[in-house]
Amino acid sequence: DAGVIQSPRHEVTEMGQEVTLRCKPISGHDYLFWYRQTMMRGLELLIYFNNNVPIDDSGMPEDRFSAKMPNASFSTLKIQPSEPRDSAVYFCASSFSGLLGEQYFGPGTRLTVT
Amino acid sequence: AQKVTQAQTEISVVEKEDVTLDCVYETRDTTYYLFWYKQPPSGELVFLIRRNSFDEQNEISGRYSWNFQKSTSSFNFTITASQVVDSAVYFCALGGFSGGYNKLIFGAGTRLAVHP
Repeated sequence: DAGVIQSPRHEVTEMGQEVTLRCKPISGHDYLFWYRQTMMRGLELLIYFNNNVPIDDSGMPEDRFSAKMPNASFSTLKIQPSEPRDSAVYFCASSFSGLLGEQYFGPGTRLTVT
Repeated sequence: AQKVTQAQTEISVVEKEDVTLDCVYETRDTTYYLFWYKQPPSGELVFLIRRNSFDEQNEISGRYSWNFQKSTSSFNFTITASQVVDSAVYFCALGGFSGGYNKLIFGAGTRLAVHP
């Protein structure tokens, strides 16, 4: 079975541009998570969904970040407008057992904002 | 507040050595969960183990073993007879319930380099 799929794998954009990251969870998993990994702040949970509904978005850094899950097989994380400090690796993960269960991570999207 | 401390930033060993990665946590919850994840050079995190706060039994899985001690708030991870393929960043994480939601925080990670 395919694991969690993320696209693009790398994204380079200029400050002020809109960035959209995409994720396809493992089929049958009803939880989806977005994380950000930086050297300074480590691995942080941004938001997670259960059955396509956002459960906790308290980790979203600011209003420039938004996430959606229109159906069980697709989610997006959007940054508008992007800033250099948004440069990071963004991971999507999915699970059938919740935030405190085993999570399956995607390969990540490395975002560079210049 | 919850906190996870992985004091070892980097560890370097020679193949076949045993190595222990330390994890110390802080929480006021009586029910909580502890995790270890591995991040190989390819980037994606891989789940290794989950322990709940009521189960202090040590766990062994092949060359991997985990020592959970509530008395010292530690959940240490030992790799026996390390191999080059064990080279990765290892994260300890703490999960609990706070502010009406489940919460999960990760430690800063320990980078393990196993040399031939």
